[in-house]
Amino acid sequence: DGGITQSPKYLFRKEGQNVTLSCEQNLNHDAMYWYRQDPGQGLRLIYYSQIVNDFQKGDIAEGYSVSREKKESFPLTVTSAQKNPTAFYLCASSIDLGGYGETQYFGPGTRLLVL
Amino acid sequence: GESVGLHLPTLSVQEGDNSIINCAYSNSASDYFIWYKQESGKGPQFIIDIRSNMDKRQGQRVTVLLNKTVKHLSLQIAATQPGDSAVYFCAENMNSGYSTLTFGKGTMLLVSP
Repeated sequence: DGGITQSPKYLFRKEGQNVTLSCEQNLNHDAMYWYRQDPGQGLRLIYYSQIVNDFQKGDIAEGYSVSREKKESFPLTVTSAQKNPTAFYLCASSIDLGGYGETQYFGPGTRLLVL
Repeated sequence: GESVGLHLPTLSVQEGDNSIINCAYSNSASDYFIWYKQESGKGPQFIIDIRSNMDKRQGQRVTVLLNKTVKHLSLQIAATQPGDSAVYFCAENMNSGYSTLTFGKGTMLLVSP
């Protein structure tokens, strides 16, 4: 059963704590993305990765970090520097990051809440 | 589940009606457009896409129309069902050399039985 999985579904962060959100895909896609969604807002791009061991900042990368050690995995760390982390986080993937536009497929999301 | 649709434009229709959801995109150079459906508390689900060399594309019960002159995209849903209730948003690829997408804020569709 191919797709994108994200865990956990809900995550609670204490002040000053770093937390890591998991994203795994078995679609054999090269490109992966992280978005943040706030109520009434469109998706905003945090980081994206075209290929293993390479990633680029998106529009709102401050306070976040990522790694791409494996093709299937693209974890996102929300650091203590992110002062307003409460949001719905979505991971997506696409076949590649070629210049002609590719469909992005999304995981089920992780909701991060601050204690 | 949690709502992602707070303060969004809302379209309310009766079951069986046809629905039209509109989207104004920002970049005249955009060459690829996607419509997504998002149910409360879930990730967006791909519905249909269209490239800029087309004006219309049809899927199962859905049609996307692209008007490049006025930078307007619409999603038509035929015979709308209660299961179609969700937030719908469009995304555009701005043809900036790589395939990141820019997303609209969305429209909430409410279907009454």
